[in-house]
Amino acid sequence: SSELTQDPAVSVALGQTVRITCQGDSLRTYYASWYQQKPGQAPVLVIYDKNNRPSGIPDRFSGSSSGNTASLTITGAQAEDEADYYCNSRDSSGNHLVFGGGTKLTVL
Amino acid sequence: QVQLQESGPGLVKPSETLSLTCTVSGGSVSSGNYYWSWIRQPPGKGLEWIGYIYYSGYTNYNPSLKSRVTISVDTSKNQFSLKLSSVTAADTAVYYCARGLLGTSGYPLAYWGQGALVTVSS
Repeated sequence: SSELTQDPAVSVALGQTVRITCQGDSLRTYYASWYQQKPGQAPVLVIYDKNNRPSGIPDRFSGSSSGNTASLTITGAQAEDEADYYCNSRDSSGNHLVFGGGTKLTVL
Repeated sequence: QVQLQESGPGLVKPSETLSLTCTVSGGSVSSGNYYWSWIRQPPGKGLEWIGYIYYSGYTNYNPSLKSRVTISVDTSKNQFSLKLSSVTAADTAVYYCARGLLGTSGYPLAYWGQGALVTVSS
């Protein structure tokens, strides 16, 4: 399968914890990467290979994976975390990339 | 710090070929540790992977676009390019170039250009 499925929208109260999920058959084989995209900006990689954070990404962002589901957790969400979040990985063939449809995170 | 910058026409007529170039600075397209990719995002919609190329010239394309896409690399100019033929209004999007990391499980895209809006219209 070449699809990754995300919930279209999620909300979280300021300072609380939120989990954003991504489901797909290929996630049984390959880890997901997670990107944050704010309006008018390019995506920014926040998590890769299950739970690796690039330099400069706050440690409130973490990742996990189980079976066909990858998760991005924001512990203590901040107002600046309000954005669209996309997962991506390789498809089941390993040769192509695929993105999830994105999750719009609202921080209340 | 590696930087990527897309360039090319912002307006393309239907049935013509869209051409974009990504210029890389702060890093080399000849590095074997990375691959070079194009991704697009129609207005108000999600991200769609178009394809990628290794420095060797090896390519892989999104099966849904494969018949119309060509990605090439010019190591002498430290650039890579995208050509998308027979465009329609459905190809209107912001086009991003990005550098991906090989040797990892999910091939993450760690560095992105700022994006270039290409509109298909007569």
